[in-house]
Amino acid sequence: DAKTTQPPSMDCAEGRAANLPCNHSTISGNEYVYWYRQIHSQGPQYIIHGLKNNETNEMASLIITEDRKSSTLILPHATLRDTAVYYCIVRVSGSGGGADGLTFGKGTHLIIQP
Amino acid sequence: DSGVTQTPKHLITATGQRVTLRCSPRSGDLSVYWYQQSLDQGLQFLIQYYNGEERAKGNILERFSAQQFPDLHSELNLSSLELGDSALYFCASSVESGQRGETQYFGPGTRLLVL
Repeated sequence: DAKTTQPPSMDCAEGRAANLPCNHSTISGNEYVYWYRQIHSQGPQYIIHGLKNNETNEMASLIITEDRKSSTLILPHATLRDTAVYYCIVRVSGSGGGADGLTFGKGTHLIIQP
Repeated sequence: DSGVTQTPKHLITATGQRVTLRCSPRSGDLSVYWYQQSLDQGLQFLIQYYNGEERAKGNILERFSAQQFPDLHSELNLSSLELGDSALYFCASSVESGQRGETQYFGPGTRLLVL
């Protein structure tokens, strides 16, 4: 699975959009971009994933650049409850050999300021 | 609530002991994954079971083992415990193992403290 690079921490004001970047310059054509978050030692929570098109769900939007080497997770109206560590994970699609677990990096600690 | 349940929530034990952590996947999910999160190692994949069979191994120690039962719940057994085994242990589940890109849903975790 491709390696990802995320800033270690970010601040965002409550009510504003939080934009979390992720670089994955070695991504392959069959690799998805996944985002999870972890709120203070709780279980990681799935947010969204995509292959090459932008995606939106009730939690967030995912913008993937045309060359797929980077992406941005957007939380449109951040609240204090969005304070968490956000993980960007690039993951092969389709069946195949090798470990099937997710590879978590250090993520971005997003702090929402009141 | 992800639909994945784990018991117990907290566990305190002594070095050299053995403990069992339990996980019930979401209804309909066939795959169960175990992860360990310690302060110095971050979140690490340990092992995956699919429909009762071991499917993939990650950084799991030989002192640790797991199994998945016919009702699809899973247990992670940790033996000869050491201080360094103190960590959060998470279980995740997904519908099936055929697609590596499929979404995993995590439980609330078991916090293990080895004294």
